[in-house]
Order: sequence, then C-alpha cells, then structure tokens
Amino acid sequence: DIQMTQSPSTVSASVGDRVTITCRASQSISIWLAWYQQKPGKAPNLLIYDASILESGVPSRFSGSGSGTEFTLTISSLQPDDFAVFYCQQYRGYPWTFGQGTTVEIK
Amino acid sequence: QVTLKESGPVLVKPTETLTLTCTVSGFSLNTPRMGVSWIRQPPGKALEWLAHIFSNDQKTYTTSLKSRLTISKDTSKSQVVLTMTNLDPLDTAAYYCARSRIESGYYYMDVWGEGTTVTVSS
Repeated sequence: DIQMTQSPSTVSASVGDRVTITCRASQSISIWLAWYQQKPGKAPNLLIYDASILESGVPSRFSGSGSGTEFTLTISSLQPDDFAVFYCQQYRGYPWTFGQGTTVEIK
Repeated sequence: QVTLKESGPVLVKPTETLTLTCTVSGFSLNTPRMGVSWIRQPPGKALEWLAHIFSNDQKTYTTSLKSRLTISKDTSKSQVVLTMTNLDPLDTAAYYCARSRIESGYYYMDVWGEGTTVTVSS
C-alpha cells in the first residue's frame, strides 16, 4: 500500500497568514493526489485534484503543487472559514490512502 | 445537483453484520467514468478508504478488510450497498459514501455524502 505522510500535524496561524501543508507519498504517484477540507462533524470537501486543479467553487486562495512523491497545499491568506482539518489522498493505486490529517487552528 | 445519502443502523452488536446503503441522485450508477466509494472515519482519527464500485460493476477493496467487505449496487434504485461482517468495537466510525469520477487519468472522489455514524457495542 502507498503510505501518505502529512506535515505538520497541527499548524497555528492567524487570519491573513499564508499556510503551507506538505504531503509525502511512499512511492511516486505522479500527480494523482487530492486535497480535502473537513470541518467538525461534517464530511470532507474536495478542494484540489490532480495535485493542482482547483475544484469548481473552491476559493482561489487555495492552491496545490507537486508531483512524484512531494506535494503542498497552500492557503495564500487564511480566512476565518478555513480553520479545519486538511487531508491529502492518493488515487494512483488501490487501495486509495489518506494522510493522517493536518489541523489548522487559530493562533 | 449531485447528492449522496448514507443510511443504516446506528448501533450494532459485536460479531454481527453491518449493512449500509448509499442512495444517490443527480447521476446514474451506470454513467461511464463514474463510480462510488465507501470511506470511514473512527472518532478523532483519519479517513480510511474501504471499497469502490465502478459503473461496469467492477469492484475493489482495501487490503486489510477485503475478507469482511462486499460492495454492490442496484442501479434501478440508485443505491450502493456495503456489507461488513463480524463487526468489532474498533469498527465504530462515521461511514461516508462518495462519488468518484475520472477526467484525465484516474478516478478521484468529488462529492461526498454527509455520513452516518455506526457504534459497535454490546
């Protein structure tokens, strides 16, 4: 199975900050990576797929980059609605696997 | 508008079999280049993908639970069903279904249901 590792586990930030989350795959997955945002008690919401394509309706302050084994999710200017848990997920091979999650909390 | 809704028992006893249903709308389970997955999330923990069914009825399962899972679909009812046998308290989780689609390369999950919580306890 492909292992996905996110860092950091928690990031403390203020509104307006630039936030970057990293996701590493245990083997190359090319660009086949998605990012999700999950708020407490809610289902995950797709932000980015194919490593860098913004899902329709997602604010442009979210961006993704990377290929191979290293990927990043960047929030250019953190907004109050962005405090949540973020997950990366690879879909290059089955079983699909998720990272352990990164919590973005208010500083 | 694409929606998915999970349903099933809230409480199940250890060793019993769990049956969850995902009812979809806004797309057909026969639509090429689409499918449905099940994912779970134990309280306070990360997401775990469980199973996927394609429009052509091909299925795939997570390695560690493959012997306990069965996924199927009833296109006429727009439903995808997941059964999990021999339940254990460690199977307590929120269970989600999600639509998958393929555009340029591989299937990915784009729309999720709101989830249903299952507690395994005697």
